[in-house]
Amino acid sequence: DVKVTQSSRYLVKRTGEKVFLECVQDMDHENMFWYRQDPGLGLRLIYFSYDVKMKEKGDIPEGYSVSREKKERFSLILESASTNQTSMYLCASSFMGKETQYFGPGTRLLVL
Amino acid sequence: AQTVTQSQPEMSVQEAETVTLSCTYDTSESDYYLFWYKQPPSRQMILVIRQEAYKQQNATENRFSVNFQKAAKSFSLKISDSQLGDAAMYFCASRSYGGSQGNLIFGKGTKLSVKP
Repeated sequence: DVKVTQSSRYLVKRTGEKVFLECVQDMDHENMFWYRQDPGLGLRLIYFSYDVKMKEKGDIPEGYSVSREKKERFSLILESASTNQTSMYLCASSFMGKETQYFGPGTRLLVL
Repeated sequence: AQTVTQSQPEMSVQEAETVTLSCTYDTSESDYYLFWYKQPPSRQMILVIRQEAYKQQNATENRFSVNFQKAAKSFSLKISDSQLGDAAMYFCASRSYGGSQGNLIFGKGTKLSVKP
């Protein structure tokens, strides 16, 4: 079975802190994605990566950056956390050219 | 740009009954995929069913089936013999065929409750 793991299920941070959210997949997937999930808004794509060191902006990249140094790991970085970044963050991965994405359990981030 | 609309924020069904969740989408693409994902409370999002737009036959996975109306751009999910474990958020999503390395466009979700 495909396994996508995220470093934390729950995270509490202070405004202005630098926050790292980590995602690891064990299926050698080329594509990895970071989504933000908010009630009433569904899932919105923040960034995605289709190869090591490659990244593309999604629909809401402002205030975020990403890093992909190894194929299995995709990190989401909040350079200076703000209260409006309080949300659920979901990581996903897929094979290149394959349509099914596999999701991690999510990280619920609270920024105080 | 693709858009996906789920017009039912919440739905409720009696255990063992059938329920249909609605989804409409808008795309200028001729080839695309459509999906239903399920997110149980505090659990991982999983794929329920998918449909290739070029296939006329509606996809079916056990108790889950879709009614795909390409001309109407409608993609509803039917859950038969509903079970308590079906209670979850359901997201409809679309993806262009071959484009953007697999970006999915999601609807806002429908929260399904199952009454015993």
